[in-house]
Amino acid sequence: GQNIDQPTEMTATEGAIVQINCTYQTSGFNGLFWYQQHAGEAPTFLSYNVLDGLEEKGRFSSFLSRSKGYSYLLLKELQMKDSASYLCAVGQAGTALIFGKGTTLSVSS
Amino acid sequence: GAVVSQHPSWVICKSGTSVKIECRSLDFQATTMFWYRQFPKQSLMLMATSNEGSKATYEQGVEKDKFLINHASLTLSTLTVTSAHPEDSSFYICSAREGYSYNSPLHFGNGTRLTVT
Repeated sequence: GQNIDQPTEMTATEGAIVQINCTYQTSGFNGLFWYQQHAGEAPTFLSYNVLDGLEEKGRFSSFLSRSKGYSYLLLKELQMKDSASYLCAVGQAGTALIFGKGTTLSVSS
Repeated sequence: GAVVSQHPSWVICKSGTSVKIECRSLDFQATTMFWYRQFPKQSLMLMATSNEGSKATYEQGVEKDKFLINHASLTLSTLTVTSAHPEDSSFYICSAREGYSYNSPLHFGNGTRLTVT
């Protein structure tokens, strides 16, 4: 079966660093994606990992370990606008993405 | 960057009526589009894969006769919710991948919030 787990909620303060973890057990794997979704809006693409290691993109970094079925999204220098849901998604053969339930991040001042 | 346009943004309809949602790729051709549904505080659930010029592939548990998908061209896919009921109220989002590589990200439309009264 398909199983993608991530924490339901996290809180942090402005300027801090937060790490959102994701573990997955899926029948196929064509890469791991992270999306940001603000309430009532469509998801926007943040990052993609297909090989083990760290991918850095400005304030956002994403890590993948395929052998452990594990990824994390690291957000640095948190800003209030980073309050959103963060979705971990696994790429499947045939190009569809299977999403986790999302982690709601609340950033306070 | 790649843009996916979805229309309408929101719709309220009466139980028993049908609603059509359009999804267009504005600056790229999308051989395949994906339709997702999202209930409040839930994840995006893949409903179906829409293939240009052929029948859609539906996920288990999704009624193909209720959710009609038509992918008439490389830039347009439509989802019609037939005989809508209140339990069909949800956020429907389409997405498309630019290019054929599996490592290209999906681009999402802005979603359609359907409320069935």
